[in-house]
Amino acid sequence: AQTVTQSQPEMSVQEAETVTLSCTYDTSESDYYLFWYKQPPSRQMILVIRQEAYKQQNATENRFSVNFQKAAKSFSLKISDSQLGDAAMYFCAYRREYGGATNKLIFGTGTLLAVQP
Amino acid sequence: DAGVTQSPTHLIKTRGQQVTLRCSPKSGHDTVSWYQQALGQGPQFIFQYYEEEERQRGNFPDRFSGHQFPNYSSELNVNALLLGDSALYLCASSRWDRDAYEQYFGPGTRLTVT
Repeated sequence: AQTVTQSQPEMSVQEAETVTLSCTYDTSESDYYLFWYKQPPSRQMILVIRQEAYKQQNATENRFSVNFQKAAKSFSLKISDSQLGDAAMYFCAYRREYGGATNKLIFGTGTLLAVQP
Repeated sequence: DAGVTQSPTHLIKTRGQQVTLRCSPKSGHDTVSWYQQALGQGPQFIFQYYEEEERQRGNFPDRFSGHQFPNYSSELNVNALLLGDSALYLCASSRWDRDAYEQYFGPGTRLTVT
């Protein structure tokens, strides 16, 4: 069974600084997707960034980028120029590709990010 | 364009009771998935509905059941509530043919069982 591990329960960053959140996963599949979701206090889960495992290039979305190391099964999220609005719980998630739409998201336990002014 | 909506926002029930939670998917979406998020944990997959059929189920007992209507909205029913069912219940919608790309989540229903 696939598992996702986030070893940092809490992180803190100064406004305008850079922070990296860690995620490792375990799978025997070769084709899959990885995601970072943000859950602010409003509770609504928002997709931050997505990475397809077959792509070697790391995904980027504005201030958010990932470091995808397929062999090491590592998928970290870097937030540059941190803003107060980035404060939230961040979840790493895995989804196998084989089998199409019936595949579920498997989430880690989350990292609570605090942004200090 | 309304996103995913869920009702009610909060709910308090007593052990042994039954509860129904509702979800309306984002416009253009035809697939609904339900997740349970216990306090301090990541969401756990309950089941997924497409074309009014349960397509996949997570490791949840039969007390958890669901339904999808012709307008793609969905209900999650939980019977014989236990204290451990207290959690945030999230609904996610997607297009069946693009499910891999993004699932849109609703704000959730906070269920408290006393």
